[in-house]
Amino acid sequence: QVQLQESGPGLVKPSETLSLICSVSGGSVSSGSQYWSWIRQPPGKGLEWIGYIYNSGSAKYNPSLKSRVTISGDTSKNQFSLKLSSVTAADTAVYYCARGLPGEWSDWGQGTLVTVSS
Amino acid sequence: QSALTQPASVSGSPGQSITISCTGTSNDVGSYNLVSWYQQHPGKAPKLVIYEVNKRPSGVSSRFSASKSGNTASLTISRLQAEDEADYSCCSYAGSYTYVFGTGTRVTVL
Repeated sequence: QVQLQESGPGLVKPSETLSLICSVSGGSVSSGSQYWSWIRQPPGKGLEWIGYIYNSGSAKYNPSLKSRVTISGDTSKNQFSLKLSSVTAADTAVYYCARGLPGEWSDWGQGTLVTVSS
Repeated sequence: QSALTQPASVSGSPGQSITISCTGTSNDVGSYNLVSWYQQHPGKAPKLVIYEVNKRPSGVSSRFSASKSGNTASLTISRLQAEDEADYSCCSYAGSYTYVFGTGTRVTVL
């Protein structure tokens, strides 16, 4: 069973870059057959797909976030990361990392709340 | 790329059946048989209950079923139980390697 765990700052200032890491156990980020995703959920609102990486480095992003998002993998640490630049209060959300075919995410981290505030 | 439309809330009594709709467009739900559904209890991560329109992952109760017609997908929960009280979200492939979620539906067991 794959386990995922998000980590990173819980508070980020407006205009700065949000950075999160997802640590993976029971699976390999370097596996060419696996897809590793980030999904977020603003408080009291619905889920929003952010993007995913596959094949150890290829990435696809939500068009609405594409200009600000980078998802990358660190195979040496079996982790993948999310960077979201120029954040505003609208980026306040619980951020989840997940594994599975895109759209069929079967394994999820517990989620981490990131608040954007000065 | 707009969120798929779901009713804000649906309720039912134990033992009854309820259906949650998920309405998209011809650019997402209507064009691909790649609709999935997630169950989310308060404070917990989502759980996949349906994928590829109507397929259940191993371990998911057969009380969960789903279908699609045109631009609208539907999730039906039969023989409603207290443990089914949760938020449910649909998700669809929207082309060009992108995905869109629904607005989410709160299911209340009366």
